[in-house]
Amino acid sequence: TQLLEQSPQFLSIQEGENLTVYCNSSSVFSSLQWYRQEPGEGPVLLVTVVTGGEVKKLKRLTFQFGDARKDSSLHITAAQPGDTGLYLCAGVGYNFNKFYFGSGTKLNVKP
Amino acid sequence: GAVVSQHPSRVICKSGTSVKIECRSLDFQATTMFWYRQFPKQSLMLMATSNEGSKATYEQGVEKDKFLINHASLTLSTLTVTSAHPEDSSFYICSASNGDRGLYEQYFGPGTRLTVT
Repeated sequence: TQLLEQSPQFLSIQEGENLTVYCNSSSVFSSLQWYRQEPGEGPVLLVTVVTGGEVKKLKRLTFQFGDARKDSSLHITAAQPGDTGLYLCAGVGYNFNKFYFGSGTKLNVKP
Repeated sequence: GAVVSQHPSRVICKSGTSVKIECRSLDFQATTMFWYRQFPKQSLMLMATSNEGSKATYEQGVEKDKFLINHASLTLSTLTVTSAHPEDSSFYICSASNGDRGLYEQYFGPGTRLTVT
C-alpha cells in the first residue's frame, strides 16, 4: 500500500477544461512537493508546500496543503496539451529521513 | 532549480554482467542522494538513500549486494547493478538534496533506461 494515494489515477480531458488532482494520506507530513514527469525523463519539481493550509499558485496551477498536513491538491485551470504528463506528489515524513512518493496521476490533455 | 545528471541515459547489457550508473549534482553539493526505480506507468519506488561518506540505507526488499551504491563525494553517487537479469530491466532515477533544506526538495536526474537481454 502507498502512504500517499493520488486520485484520479488517470485523467483524459479536452484542452481548456479545469481539473483537480488529490493526494491523500493518513499520516502527517512536514512538507509536500508536487512534481511533473514526462516519459523517459526524471520528475521536475513544481512546488513545495510547508505550512498547513498553505496555497501556492504557479501560473494556471494552484497547490494547496491541507490544514492537518495530511493531504494536498493540485488544480489546473484551462488545461493545455503541454500540461500532459505524470503528476506525482511526494511528502517528507516528520522524522525527516524518509521521502514518500504518491501513486501518480497520468494526465492527458487533448487539443 | 539545481541540475542533476545521469550517465548513461540508456544501457543494454547481457544477463550476468554488471552495469554502473552515475549520478552527478552539477551545481550544488549533494549531501544526500537517492536512487529510485520506476516501472512503466507507475510511480517511483525508493531503493536506497546514500549520504556522502557513509554506507547507503536500503529500503526493505532491495538487495544491497545486488544494487551497490557508492557516494564517495558530494557531487557523485553511483549505482552498480551486479549480475543483472532481465527482471532488473527498468528506469532508474537518482535525486540529490543539498542538506540545507534537508529533504524538503529533491532534484532529479533524467533517468537511465536499463535493458537486460
